[in-house]
Amino acid sequence: ETGVTQSPTHLIKTRGQQVTLRCSSQSGHNTVSWYQQALGQGPQFIFQYYREEENGRGNFPPRFSGLQFPNYSSELNVNALELDDSALYLCASSLERGPETQYFGPGTRLLVL
Amino acid sequence: GENVEQHPSTLSVQEGDSAVIKCTYSDSASNYFPWYKQELGKGPQLIIDIRSNVGEKKDQRIAVTLNKTAKHFSLHITETQPEDSAVYFCAGTLGNTGRRALTFGSGTRLQVQP
Repeated sequence: ETGVTQSPTHLIKTRGQQVTLRCSSQSGHNTVSWYQQALGQGPQFIFQYYREEENGRGNFPPRFSGLQFPNYSSELNVNALELDDSALYLCASSLERGPETQYFGPGTRLLVL
Repeated sequence: GENVEQHPSTLSVQEGDSAVIKCTYSDSASNYFPWYKQELGKGPQLIIDIRSNVGEKKDQRIAVTLNKTAKHFSLHITETQPEDSAVYFCAGTLGNTGRRALTFGSGTRLQVQP
């Protein structure tokens, strides 16, 4: 059974640029959630996708957007990057929508200069 | 707002001792409480979880207790080992995300001294 994978592992961007992060969910999981983890803090919920539709969103601006594909993999897009967007971006997959039993990937470390 | 409070922020124990981390939550309708372990450079790893219809759950050296009335839950690690050193996060399902996501505590850095 393959776990949650994310790419790239690290990324450096400059302020104002756009970035796309990718996630492949664990085999058999149809729900993907994205979290942002700033240094020294707990992860914060960005949004969740279930069967290709957004199924809930946290307190993040519209420049954070996402997609889920028919194979349940997902992308997180961030436009107009700001310095405060520097963080570890985590993807988690689960069997059904809702929060239960989420399995996290290793994350993508984004640095905005 | 609705949140999860976690303490202590750091905890140092001697190998073989027990460690206890406590969390409180604000949303009385929350019904699922997982604990995650995060090692340096890695994503959070689920170590144990508990649902609101259960008061205690144990898995080898790890146990979690839940007091719904007081709205708090705790992680207990017995016979600690150096490999238990990591940051531990509690989480809950809170109403501010429609209970579709996890709201995390701020983390506890556990250091097990050999």
